[in-house]
Amino acid sequence: DIQMTQSPSSLSASVGDRVTITCRASQDISIYLAWFQQRPGKAPKSLIYAASSLHSGVPSKFSGSGSGTDFTLTISSLQPEDFAVYYCQQYDTYPYTFGQGTRLEIK
Amino acid sequence: QVQLVQSGAEVKKPGASVKVSCKASDYTFTNYGVTWVRQAPGKGLEWMGWISNYNGNTNYAQKLQGRVTLTTDTSTSTAYMELWSLTSDDTAVYYCAREQYNWNDFWGQGTLVIVSS
Repeated sequence: DIQMTQSPSSLSASVGDRVTITCRASQDISIYLAWFQQRPGKAPKSLIYAASSLHSGVPSKFSGSGSGTDFTLTISSLQPEDFAVYYCQQYDTYPYTFGQGTRLEIK
Repeated sequence: QVQLVQSGAEVKKPGASVKVSCKASDYTFTNYGVTWVRQAPGKGLEWMGWISNYNGNTNYAQKLQGRVTLTTDTSTSTAYMELWSLTSDDTAVYYCAREQYNWNDFWGQGTLVIVSS
């Protein structure tokens, strides 16, 4: 199985900050990477697919980049509702594996 | 807008089975697949499997192979996930998600399954 490793595992930031989360795949997955946001007690919400394409309705403060094995999710101008857990997922090869998650907390 | 509404919480005894439903609305069901993902308490997301609503093709996570069955009923736009021989390790929230071009765009609200004697 392809291993997905996110860093950091947790991150403290302030409202208005810009943060970057990294996701590394154990093998080349081209651009077949998605990012999800999960707020406490809620279902995951899709943010980005194909490494850098924004899902409909997702604000442009979210952006993704990368290809091959290294990917990033950047969130600009953090607002209170952005503090959540973020997951990356590869969908290049079955089983479609997730990263362990990055918890974004308010400083 | 696209909605996936899942069945309610379940409490099961070890060794039993559970069947969770996921009813889709406001899109052409057979044009998309359905993925199932679960999340144990306090843990991350685990991909369980996928089914094509067009032809019923499936792909299952190896660790669940033989214990999980995904089905769909195109007449009611409903997908089902059945998990057999439950143990306490299967206690989790189970999510369905619409799949297009292999990624998941819309998600159900989740179904809590508790396995306890």
